[in-house]
Amino acid sequence: DSGVTQTPKHLITATGQRVTLRCSPRSGDLSVYWYQQSLDQGLQFLIQYYNGEERAKGNILERFSAQQFPDLHSELNLSSLELGDSALYFCASSPRGLAGGGDTQYFGPGTRLTVL
Amino acid sequence: GENVEQHPSTLSVQEGDSAVIKCTYSDSASNYFPWYKQELGKRPQLIIDIRSNVGEKKDQRIAVTLNKTAKHFSLHITETQPEDSAVYFCAAKGFQKLVFGTGTRLLVSP
Repeated sequence: DSGVTQTPKHLITATGQRVTLRCSPRSGDLSVYWYQQSLDQGLQFLIQYYNGEERAKGNILERFSAQQFPDLHSELNLSSLELGDSALYFCASSPRGLAGGGDTQYFGPGTRLTVL
Repeated sequence: GENVEQHPSTLSVQEGDSAVIKCTYSDSASNYFPWYKQELGKRPQLIIDIRSNVGEKKDQRIAVTLNKTAKHFSLHITETQPEDSAVYFCAAKGFQKLVFGTGTRLLVSP
Protein backbone atom coordinates (compact mmCIF):
# COMPACT_ATOMS: atom_id res chain seq x y z
CA ASP A 1 0.00 0.00 0.00
CA SER A 2 1.55 3.28 -1.16
CA GLY A 3 -0.59 5.50 1.07
CA VAL A 4 -2.20 7.16 -1.95
CA THR A 5 -5.94 6.53 -2.21
CA GLN A 6 -8.21 6.90 -5.21
CA THR A 7 -11.97 6.66 -5.55
CA PRO A 8 -13.91 5.16 -7.13
CA LYS A 9 -12.12 1.97 -8.15
CA HIS A 10 -14.37 1.43 -11.11
CA LEU A 11 -16.60 3.77 -13.06
CA ILE A 12 -18.89 2.91 -15.94
CA THR A 13 -20.62 5.69 -17.80
CA ALA A 14 -21.95 6.68 -21.19
CA THR A 15 -20.55 8.87 -23.94
CA GLY A 16 -21.16 12.55 -23.42
CA GLN A 17 -21.26 12.27 -19.65
CA ARG A 18 -19.05 13.91 -17.04
CA VAL A 19 -17.24 12.16 -14.20
CA THR A 20 -15.01 13.16 -11.29
CA LEU A 21 -12.12 11.07 -10.04
CA ARG A 22 -10.73 11.70 -6.59
CA CYS A 23 -7.24 11.28 -5.16
CA SER A 24 -5.85 11.67 -1.66
CA PRO A 25 -2.06 11.90 -1.52
CA ARG A 26 0.22 10.34 1.06
CA SER A 27 0.32 12.21 4.33
CA GLY A 28 2.70 15.13 3.99
CA ASP A 29 3.03 14.99 0.21
CA LEU A 30 2.43 18.32 -1.50
CA SER A 31 2.49 17.25 -5.15
CA VAL A 32 -0.18 15.30 -6.98
CA TYR A 33 0.18 13.96 -10.50
CA TRP A 34 -2.45 12.47 -12.81
CA TYR A 35 -1.71 9.84 -15.45
CA GLN A 36 -3.77 8.03 -18.05
CA GLN A 37 -3.03 4.45 -19.03
CA SER A 38 -4.98 3.00 -21.95
CA LEU A 39 -5.11 -0.74 -22.58
CA ASP A 40 -1.62 -2.17 -23.00
CA GLN A 41 -0.20 1.33 -23.18
CA GLY A 42 2.30 3.26 -21.16
CA LEU A 43 1.68 6.00 -18.67
CA GLN A 44 0.73 9.34 -20.15
CA PHE A 45 1.26 12.31 -17.88
CA LEU A 46 -1.76 14.60 -17.70
CA ILE A 47 -1.16 17.27 -15.08
CA GLN A 48 0.62 18.07 -11.81
CA TYR A 49 -0.43 20.18 -8.85
CA TYR A 50 1.84 21.38 -6.10
CA ASN A 51 0.35 22.73 -2.90
CA GLY A 52 -2.83 23.80 -4.64
CA GLU A 53 -1.27 25.34 -7.72
CA GLU A 54 -0.97 23.86 -11.19
CA ARG A 55 2.70 23.09 -11.76
CA ALA A 56 2.96 21.24 -15.06
CA LYS A 57 0.74 20.11 -17.91
CA GLY A 58 1.15 17.14 -20.17
CA ASN A 59 -1.13 15.69 -22.81
CA ILE A 60 -4.32 16.73 -21.11
CA LEU A 61 -7.35 17.31 -23.31
CA GLU A 62 -9.35 20.52 -23.00
CA ARG A 63 -12.33 18.38 -21.93
CA PHE A 64 -10.35 17.37 -18.85
CA SER A 65 -9.57 19.57 -15.88
CA ALA A 66 -8.18 19.11 -12.41
CA GLN A 67 -7.73 20.92 -9.16
CA GLN A 68 -6.06 20.45 -5.80
CA PHE A 69 -7.88 21.55 -2.71
CA PRO A 70 -6.54 23.13 0.52
CA ASP A 71 -6.48 19.72 2.21
CA LEU A 72 -4.27 18.60 -0.73
CA HIS A 73 -6.67 16.07 -2.18
CA SER A 74 -7.16 16.38 -5.91
CA GLU A 75 -9.95 15.80 -8.36
CA LEU A 76 -9.77 15.08 -12.07
CA ASN A 77 -12.86 16.05 -14.03
CA LEU A 78 -13.53 14.42 -17.36
CA SER A 79 -16.36 15.81 -19.48
CA SER A 80 -18.03 15.08 -22.82
CA LEU A 81 -16.68 11.58 -22.50
CA GLU A 82 -15.79 9.60 -25.58
CA LEU A 83 -15.19 5.87 -26.05
CA GLY A 84 -11.47 6.54 -26.33
CA ASP A 85 -11.38 7.97 -22.82
CA SER A 86 -11.79 4.48 -21.41
CA ALA A 87 -8.59 3.84 -19.47
CA LEU A 88 -6.98 3.43 -16.09
CA TYR A 89 -6.43 6.79 -14.42
CA PHE A 90 -3.69 6.89 -11.84
CA CYS A 91 -2.88 9.52 -9.32
CA ALA A 92 0.59 9.74 -7.80
CA SER A 93 1.99 11.90 -5.06
CA SER A 94 5.41 13.04 -3.97
CA PRO A 95 6.75 15.14 -1.09
CA ARG A 96 7.78 18.13 -3.14
CA GLY A 97 7.84 17.96 -6.92
CA LEU A 98 10.21 17.54 -9.79
CA ALA A 99 12.29 20.64 -9.26
CA GLY A 100 15.92 19.96 -8.65
CA GLY A 101 16.81 16.31 -8.26
CA GLY A 102 13.36 14.89 -8.61
CA ASP A 103 10.99 13.31 -6.13
CA THR A 104 9.91 9.72 -5.89
CA GLN A 105 6.33 9.38 -7.06
CA TYR A 106 4.05 6.91 -5.30
CA PHE A 107 1.05 5.70 -7.26
CA GLY A 108 -2.47 5.08 -6.08
CA PRO A 109 -4.47 1.97 -7.06
CA GLY A 110 -6.11 3.72 -10.00
CA THR A 111 -9.65 4.27 -11.24
CA ARG A 112 -10.78 2.15 -14.15
CA LEU A 113 -13.08 4.21 -16.36
CA THR A 114 -15.24 2.49 -18.93
CA VAL A 115 -17.17 4.65 -21.37
CA LEU A 116 -19.96 2.82 -23.20
CA GLY B 1 11.03 17.63 -24.83
CA GLU B 2 12.22 14.43 -23.22
CA ASN B 3 11.73 11.18 -25.11
CA VAL B 4 12.34 7.75 -23.58
CA GLU B 5 12.73 4.58 -25.60
CA GLN B 6 12.56 1.17 -23.93
CA HIS B 7 13.62 -2.25 -25.22
CA PRO B 8 12.67 -5.00 -25.52
CA SER B 9 8.89 -4.78 -25.46
CA THR B 10 8.65 -8.43 -24.40
CA LEU B 11 11.20 -10.59 -22.60
CA SER B 12 10.84 -14.27 -21.75
CA VAL B 13 13.35 -15.98 -19.48
CA GLN B 14 13.65 -19.18 -17.51
CA GLU B 15 13.51 -19.03 -13.74
CA GLY B 16 16.99 -18.37 -12.39
CA ASP B 17 18.20 -16.55 -15.51
CA SER B 18 19.04 -12.85 -15.59
CA ALA B 19 16.93 -10.23 -17.34
CA VAL B 20 18.10 -6.90 -18.72
CA ILE B 21 15.87 -4.05 -19.87
CA LYS B 22 17.37 -1.02 -21.58
CA CYS B 23 16.18 2.56 -21.92
CA THR B 24 17.55 5.57 -23.74
CA TYR B 25 16.62 9.19 -23.13
CA SER B 26 17.05 12.33 -25.15
CA ASP B 27 17.36 15.20 -22.68
CA SER B 28 20.93 15.50 -21.40
CA ALA B 29 19.63 17.56 -18.48
CA SER B 30 17.63 14.61 -17.10
CA ASN B 31 18.90 13.70 -13.65
CA TYR B 32 16.46 11.24 -12.14
CA PHE B 33 15.64 7.77 -13.47
CA PRO B 34 13.12 5.55 -11.65
CA TRP B 35 11.97 2.06 -12.57
CA TYR B 36 8.45 0.84 -11.87
CA LYS B 37 6.96 -2.65 -11.84
CA GLN B 38 3.30 -3.03 -12.71
CA GLU B 39 1.36 -6.24 -12.27
CA LEU B 40 -1.80 -6.74 -14.29
CA GLY B 41 -4.51 -4.30 -13.26
CA LYS B 42 -2.47 -2.90 -10.39
CA ARG B 43 -0.63 0.30 -9.68
CA PRO B 44 2.95 0.93 -10.77
CA GLN B 45 5.32 0.31 -7.88
CA LEU B 46 8.75 1.87 -7.61
CA ILE B 47 11.41 -0.83 -7.48
CA ILE B 48 14.59 1.19 -7.79
CA ASP B 49 15.74 4.60 -8.89
CA ILE B 50 19.02 6.30 -9.68
CA ARG B 51 20.17 9.88 -9.83
CA SER B 52 22.66 11.24 -12.29
CA ASN B 53 25.47 11.62 -9.77
CA VAL B 54 25.93 7.83 -9.53
CA GLY B 55 26.59 5.19 -12.16
CA GLU B 56 25.13 2.11 -10.51
CA LYS B 57 22.78 1.19 -7.71
CA LYS B 58 21.88 -2.24 -6.34
CA ASP B 59 19.11 -3.58 -4.17
CA GLN B 60 19.31 -7.33 -3.63
CA ARG B 61 18.55 -8.97 -7.01
CA ILE B 62 17.89 -5.69 -8.78
CA ALA B 63 20.44 -3.23 -10.12
CA VAL B 64 20.30 -0.17 -12.31
CA THR B 65 23.19 1.26 -14.32
CA LEU B 66 23.38 4.70 -15.85
CA ASN B 67 25.59 5.92 -18.67
CA LYS B 68 25.13 9.67 -18.88
CA THR B 69 27.44 10.07 -21.85
CA ALA B 70 25.48 7.63 -23.95
CA LYS B 71 22.18 8.70 -22.35
CA HIS B 72 21.05 5.22 -21.50
CA PHE B 73 20.19 3.30 -18.36
CA SER B 74 19.42 -0.34 -17.75
CA LEU B 75 17.60 -2.53 -15.25
CA HIS B 76 19.23 -5.84 -14.33
CA ILE B 77 17.33 -8.57 -12.50
CA THR B 78 19.35 -11.59 -11.42
CA GLU B 79 18.07 -15.03 -10.37
CA THR B 80 14.64 -14.28 -11.76
CA GLN B 81 11.58 -15.81 -10.11
CA PRO B 82 8.05 -16.33 -11.45
CA GLU B 83 6.82 -13.49 -9.23
CA ASP B 84 9.08 -11.12 -11.18
CA SER B 85 6.66 -11.53 -14.10
CA ALA B 86 5.12 -8.09 -14.74
CA VAL B 87 5.44 -5.03 -16.94
CA TYR B 88 8.44 -2.86 -16.14
CA PHE B 89 8.54 0.84 -16.98
CA CYS B 90 11.57 3.07 -17.02
CA ALA B 91 11.23 6.84 -16.71
CA ALA B 92 13.39 9.91 -16.99
CA LYS B 93 12.83 13.28 -15.45
CA GLY B 94 12.32 15.81 -18.20
CA PHE B 95 11.33 19.42 -17.80
CA GLN B 96 8.70 19.48 -15.07
CA LYS B 97 7.56 15.90 -15.63
CA LEU B 98 8.51 12.26 -15.64
CA VAL B 99 8.48 10.72 -19.09
CA PHE B 100 7.85 6.99 -19.14
CA GLY B 101 9.06 4.36 -21.55
CA THR B 102 6.53 2.14 -23.29
CA GLY B 103 7.11 -0.80 -20.96
CA THR B 104 8.65 -4.27 -21.08
CA ARG B 105 6.53 -7.32 -20.42
CA LEU B 106 8.74 -9.78 -18.52
CA LEU B 107 7.64 -13.40 -18.35
CA VAL B 108 9.57 -15.75 -16.07
CA SER B 109 8.82 -19.40 -16.70
CA PRO B 110 9.29 -21.98 -13.93
